[in-house]
Amino acid sequence: AQTVTQSQPEMSVQEAETVTLSCTYDTSENNYYLFWYKQPPSRQMILVIRQEAYKQQNATENRFSVNFQKAAKSFSLKISDSQLGDTAMYFCAFVSASGTYKYIFGTGTRLKVLA
Amino acid sequence: GAVVSQHPSWVICKSGTSVKIECRSLDFQATTMFWYRQFPKQSLMLMATSNEGSKATYEQGVEKDKFLINHASLTLSTLTVTSAHPEDSSFYICSARDYREPYEQYFGPGTRLTVT
Repeated sequence: AQTVTQSQPEMSVQEAETVTLSCTYDTSENNYYLFWYKQPPSRQMILVIRQEAYKQQNATENRFSVNFQKAAKSFSLKISDSQLGDTAMYFCAFVSASGTYKYIFGTGTRLKVLA
Repeated sequence: GAVVSQHPSWVICKSGTSVKIECRSLDFQATTMFWYRQFPKQSLMLMATSNEGSKATYEQGVEKDKFLINHASLTLSTLTVTSAHPEDSSFYICSARDYREPYEQYFGPGTRLTVT
């Protein structure tokens, strides 16, 4: 069975600094998708970034980028120029490309951006 | 695009009553909808998967008679919590899958259920 591990329950970063959130996963499959979601205090789940496993190039979305290491089964999220609005829970999610389309979520990392 | 709504956003009900939560995809047809439960400061826990016109598939440990799911159309799924008890109080989130982006889920804003 697939698992997703986020080993950092809480992190903090100074405004304008850079922070990296870690995510590792376990799977025997070759084709899958990985996502980072942000859940602010409103609790609305917001997609931050997605990565297709077949793509070697790391995904980027403005200040957000990932370091996808397929062999190491690692999928970390880097937030550059952190803003107060980045304060939220961040969840890493895995979905197999063959099967039920169900997400496997990590336990989350609570990020606080300090003024 | 890809907007999912939930109604109500917050509901309070008395113990022993039933409450229905609606999940709608507003601008796409959702071939699959998912229902999650989230406890404070925890991750999302998948309760069930529903496909339009089919019976829902429940995750292990989820009482199907307690949490009734109906996916009657390609834009609407409902979760009914029957004979609610205080321990059913939680935050319930639905998500929907669009066949055009099959591996991505679009999330509703969630419903806070309080059972008194």
